[in-house]
Amino acid sequence: DIQMTQSPSTLSASLGDRVTITCRASESIANWLAWYQQKPGKGPKLLIYEASTLQSGVSSRFSGSGSGTEFTLTISSLQPDDSATYFCQQYHSYRTFGPGTKLEIK
Amino acid sequence: EVQLVESGGDLAQPGGSLRLSCVASGFTLSPYTMTWVRQAPGKGLEWVSFISDSDRTVFYADSVRGRFTISRDNAKNSLYLQMNSLRAEDTAVYFCARAVVTAPHWYFDLWGRGSLVTVSS
Repeated sequence: DIQMTQSPSTLSASLGDRVTITCRASESIANWLAWYQQKPGKGPKLLIYEASTLQSGVSSRFSGSGSGTEFTLTISSLQPDDSATYFCQQYHSYRTFGPGTKLEIK
Repeated sequence: EVQLVESGGDLAQPGGSLRLSCVASGFTLSPYTMTWVRQAPGKGLEWVSFISDSDRTVFYADSVRGRFTISRDNAKNSLYLQMNSLRAEDTAVYFCARAVVTAPHWYFDLWGRGSLVTVSS
C-alpha cells in the first residue's frame, strides 16, 4: 500500500501569515492527490484535487502544487476560519490518507 | 442545501451488529458513486467501502471485508452500511462521502458530519 506522511504534524501561525504543509507519498502517485480541511465535529471539506485544482467555492487563498511523491498545500494570508486539521489523500492506487496537520492561529 | 446526513451510530457489543444510514438532500444520489470513510477517535481517516452508481460494483477495505455490506436505495436517496461481527477496532466516526470518479481514480467531494459507532462490552 502507498503510505502518506505529512509535515509538520502541528503548526502555529499568525493572522496574515503564509503557511505551507507538505505531503509525501511512499511511491509516485503522479498528480492523484487531494487536500481536505476538517474542523472539530464536522466532516472533511474538499479543497484541492489532482494536486493543484481548486475545488469550486474554495477560497483562492488555498493552492496546491507538486507531483510524483512530494506535494504542498499553501494558505496565503491566514484567516481565523483557517484553524483546522488538513489531510492529504492519494487516489492513485487504492485510497490512503495522510495523518493530518493541525493548524492553530496564534 | 446540498448535504449528507448520517444516522444509526450507537454503542454495540463486540460481535454485534449496527446499520448506518446516510440520506442525501439538495441533490439526487442516483448518478453518484458513494462511499463510507471512518475516523477512529483521535486518528486519521480510513476508507471503508464503495458502491457504484449502478450498484454493480462494490469494494471493501481488507479490514471490513466479509463483515460489512454497503447498499443503496436511490428511490429513498439513501446509502447504507450494514456492520456485522463488530470489533473494538471498528469504533470510529463513520462518514458517508460522495465520490468523483475518473476511473480508476476517485476522491471525495462532499462529506456528511458523521455518525459515531462505539464497540464495547
